[in-house]
Amino acid sequence: EPEVTQTPSHQVTQMGQEVILRCVPISNHLYFYWYRQILGQKVEFLVSFYNNEISEKSEIFDDQFSVERPDGSNFTLKIRSTKLEDSAMYFCASSVSGALSYNEQFFGPGTRLTVL
Amino acid sequence: AQKITQTQPGMFVQEKEAVTLDCTYDTSDPSYGLFWYKQPSSGEMIFLIYQGSYDQQNATEGRYSLNFQKARKSANLVISASQLGDSAMYFCAMREQGRRALTFGSGTRLQVQP
Repeated sequence: EPEVTQTPSHQVTQMGQEVILRCVPISNHLYFYWYRQILGQKVEFLVSFYNNEISEKSEIFDDQFSVERPDGSNFTLKIRSTKLEDSAMYFCASSVSGALSYNEQFFGPGTRLTVL
Repeated sequence: AQKITQTQPGMFVQEKEAVTLDCTYDTSDPSYGLFWYKQPSSGEMIFLIYQGSYDQQNATEGRYSLNFQKARKSANLVISASQLGDSAMYFCAMREQGRRALTFGSGTRLQVQP
């Protein structure tokens, strides 16, 4: 069964450093998403991406964040200058369509980011 | 205001019994979708079940069913014949028409006891 994959599974970085989190969505999916979950809290939407542009973003997704689809398979989230409060699990997700009816978002296993 | 409310931070159930996890939502949009995800201790998010706002029947997927009461704005997850492997966090989520984002509740931690 096809699945979303994410690398690395765990990333440790120093405050102020740039990190890039990588995702390979399911191959025939067209919509891509990033969510984050701070330890013990709810899952929060960051951004959605379709047709090589951001289609929606949350207040959390400020200028420190960017997303890119550098080739036909990868989808990346970059945090330019990490802060302690960026420590969280970051989930990538993908879906076949953006239509509301039965638009299941398949989640990857997550990347745990720890900012020291 | 919270769009998704899960009032049960933790629940216990005996193996083989049924359990209901509560979820209420708030939207003025007539068209929306409701989702339940399971998050085991390993951390991944596993899709369980979906209910569209215009669906006439309650959704079912194997041992999972969704008790959808539109007028009350509730979408409770029912797990029948609980198994030890059902022990996990369960998140209710909503997606509104015209939006891409899933909005999640705070989750319910279910523990199935032998």
